[in-house]
Amino acid sequence: TQLLEQSPQFLSIQEGENLTVYCNSSSVFSSLQWYRQEPGEGPVLLVTVVTGGEVKKLKRLTFQFGDARKDSSLHITAAQPGDTGLYLCAGGNYGQNFVFGPGTRLSVLP
Amino acid sequence: ETGVTQTPRHLVMGMTNKKSLKCEQHLGHNAMYWYKQSAKKPLELMFVYNFKEQTENNSVPSRFSPECPNSSHLFLHLHTLQPEDSALYLCASSQDPGTSGYEQYFGPGTRLTVT
Repeated sequence: TQLLEQSPQFLSIQEGENLTVYCNSSSVFSSLQWYRQEPGEGPVLLVTVVTGGEVKKLKRLTFQFGDARKDSSLHITAAQPGDTGLYLCAGGNYGQNFVFGPGTRLSVLP
Repeated sequence: ETGVTQTPRHLVMGMTNKKSLKCEQHLGHNAMYWYKQSAKKPLELMFVYNFKEQTENNSVPSRFSPECPNSSHLFLHLHTLQPEDSALYLCASSQDPGTSGYEQYFGPGTRLTVT
């Protein structure tokens, strides 16, 4: 059974700080996705990474896929209150359903 | 209208009621999914349909009954639910899961409360 772990589980920081959250597995994935979910809403897809070592940037968010395609990180620079939410990672393989991690709940205080 | 839509957004039902959740996707995708999200638990995959055929039933109780009349519409029929079924029910769609780097897009969810 493929499992994804995310750390930290909860994170509360002040506006303007930097942070990194992690997604780890013992399994190899052909692709990995990051989502942000706000309370009472569905997850919104932020990025998909498919190549080991790949780095993608989305404004203040930087996503990295591990060389072995077993882990990923999300770094946020100068966090803002609008970044508050549940960050989910999901790993996928050809012909298989996605496996979701439990999420990191981020709170950015003004 | 774009993306994945779900109705209703909120539903309160008694344990003896019958209700249905509706999902519609406007992305031209072939696969549709139902997930359950409970507090403090990871997303739980319930059902998967690919090209209208059910390809996954993740040991879901029979009080949940899915229906996929075409690739754009997905329903979840509910009957004789239990209070522990209260959760956010999410619909998602994607390209064929057999394709490289396929991506899932979620609807806003239906918040279900069973009284």
